[in-house]
Amino acid sequence: DVKVTQSSRYLVKRTGEKVFLECVQDMDHENMFWYRQDPGLGLRLIYFSYDVKMKEKGDIPEGYSVSREKKERFSLILESASTNQTSMYLCASSLRGLAGAQEQYFGPGTRLTVT
Amino acid sequence: AQRVTQPEKLLSVFKGAPVELKCNYSYSGSPELFWYVQYSRQRLQLLLRHISRESIKGFTADLNKGETSFHLKKPFAQEEDSAMYYCALRSNSGGSNYKLTFGKGTLLTVNP
Repeated sequence: DVKVTQSSRYLVKRTGEKVFLECVQDMDHENMFWYRQDPGLGLRLIYFSYDVKMKEKGDIPEGYSVSREKKERFSLILESASTNQTSMYLCASSLRGLAGAQEQYFGPGTRLTVT
Repeated sequence: AQRVTQPEKLLSVFKGAPVELKCNYSYSGSPELFWYVQYSRQRLQLLLRHISRESIKGFTADLNKGETSFHLKKPFAQEEDSAMYYCALRSNSGGSNYKLTFGKGTLLTVNP
């Protein structure tokens, strides 16, 4: 079974703090993704990575950065947290595959509240 | 730019009734489409993909290129089908062909 784990289920931070969200997958997947999930807005891609040290911006990268130093770990960084970054954050991973995107496997999510 | 539209935020049906969750897409290339589902307090997971042409948990979805649609259907809804459903489209442009564009989701409630 593919397992994607996220470091925290719930997190409360103050405005201006630097926040790290960690994601680890144990299936040797090349691709990893960070989404935020908001009611009425669905899933929106923040950043993704298709290899170690490689990253690409998604649809809403502003205010976020990422780090992928090892294949199994993908970190999302909020440099200076703001209240509009209060959200559910989902990490996902997938194999690269010959045909492009394979099934994405999701973590349980981190509910971040910025006060 | 690609776009996925799920016109219904909420859909409520009675147990045993047919259910159809609508999904329309906008994409200039050859699309690859998926349905993902999130049951209460569970992870988001793949339900089905159009290239597999399979039925999962009684659900089917047919890609209609003429109408640019990929509606999810089930002839007889069950209470355990209550969940949030997301339609997703795969991009096939360069290094971005691994990412998915998701719709905003439809919350399905099946009433007893």
